Amino acid sequence: GAGVSQSPSNKVTEKGKDVELRCDPISGHTALYWYRQSLGQGLEFLIYFQGNSAPDKSGLPSDRFSAERTGGSVSTLTIQRTQQEDSAVYLCASSPGVGQNTGELFFGEGSRLTVL
Amino acid sequence: AQSVTQPDIHITVSEGASLELRCNYSYGATPYLFWYVQSPGQGLQLLLKYFSGDTLVQGIKGFEAEFKRSQSSFNLRKPSVHWSDAAEYFCAVPNNAGNMLTFGGGTRLMVKP
Repeated sequence: GAGVSQSPSNKVTEKGKDVELRCDPISGHTALYWYRQSLGQGLEFLIYFQGNSAPDKSGLPSDRFSAERTGGSVSTLTIQRTQQEDSAVYLCASSPGVGQNTGELFFGEGSRLTVL
Repeated sequence: AQSVTQPDIHITVSEGASLELRCNYSYGATPYLFWYVQSPGQGLQLLLKYFSGDTLVQGIKGFEAEFKRSQSSFNLRKPSVHWSDAAEYFCAVPNNAGNMLTFGGGTRLMVKP
């Protein structure tokens, strides 16, 4: 498709279960980002991929969170042993990644995670 | 570290009235600055951006923003608000490496008929 695609759009899970969230970026975009949007917390950076470089994982809140990007395209964010505080909307964004486009991110509609 | 502050969490305006949303930034050099809008249930969409040059920047949907270095501000304005402008608005600045955006806390705009 033309935009950033995320799935699932909604996920309800029980505490302690693992979840996987998927992001399909815009074709040709080399940079991919995951952000978390929680009530009262604003937008929180999680992880950044740029081409074949090692990802910037500095925003991941704990070792229960991990992400990978296969073939420089699709990315999966995995949360292991989910906790109630993980409930949030997880937003994926992509960008061309260089030059004056820096900062012009194209966002998906997000995956809303609810941990019971 | 770079940061942005949006002092107003909620703003309500009447349809047809003018709008100004505040954004203050902290940055070591001349910043790149962005405004994004998030409509209910949607992802974020870029409204406008400032890189250099003219300090008054025009964006989509009739929005504009003015970069004021002396005030460390990048306020978003619209002369006449429409009901469809009800959304959450985020100001953002990239880090030094330009590989990550830091967002303000957002301002939720409500429009009265």
